[in-house]
Amino acid sequence: NAGVTQTPKFRILKIGQSMTLQCTQDMNHNYMYWYRQDPGMGLKLIYYSVGAGITDKGEVPNGYNVSRSTTEDFPLRLELAAPSQTSVYFCASSGTGGPSAFFGQGTRLTVV
Amino acid sequence: GENVEQHPSTLSVQEGDSAVIKCTYSDSASNYFPWYKQELGKRPQLIIDIRSNVGEKKDQRIAVTLNKTAKHFSLHITETQPEDSAVYFCAATLRNTGNQFYFGTGTSLTVIP
Repeated sequence: NAGVTQTPKFRILKIGQSMTLQCTQDMNHNYMYWYRQDPGMGLKLIYYSVGAGITDKGEVPNGYNVSRSTTEDFPLRLELAAPSQTSVYFCASSGTGGPSAFFGQGTRLTVV
Repeated sequence: GENVEQHPSTLSVQEGDSAVIKCTYSDSASNYFPWYKQELGKRPQLIIDIRSNVGEKKDQRIAVTLNKTAKHFSLHITETQPEDSAVYFCAATLRNTGNQFYFGTGTSLTVIP
């Protein structure tokens, strides 16, 4: 019963580098989300998806991109990493008619 | 869009006392209000939730109340224990639409043994 799995758990990037944060869920959830959490702050939505092939911007989408080619996977792409993107990133999913969002274990990203 | 405000930002209580965390929301269309507990370095985990057609819900030592008219909801923890120490987040959303969950800024609860 894996739930929501994120990789990697930790990553250090240099300014200008790019990377993809992977997220997969095995609960057949339609809805998936990417959040970032800055120290001492709440969760800010970056992007979300209501199903395969459909994505939409959240509150803080600049500098990020997503795709949803399958129900299970929702990768987050960072292009041209900047220090302002240093944060903990959480992927989450929820199902139609089901309970609230289930979160992955998080990815701690540092941009230096 | 929805705006969720959460108070207090920090809360310290003696073991055995009660703790109350309050949230307000702005969008009267929101109909689902989950609460999450996040321990240090861990992922947020759902602890209790309430739908807009219910005024109160209890689960052992925790309870949530909702006042739709005033657009606020609260988390109540009774007989607090040291393991209740964590950051608690409230959220609001329009259920089953895939809308984003709007989170409060969190309350850091410390239970003093």
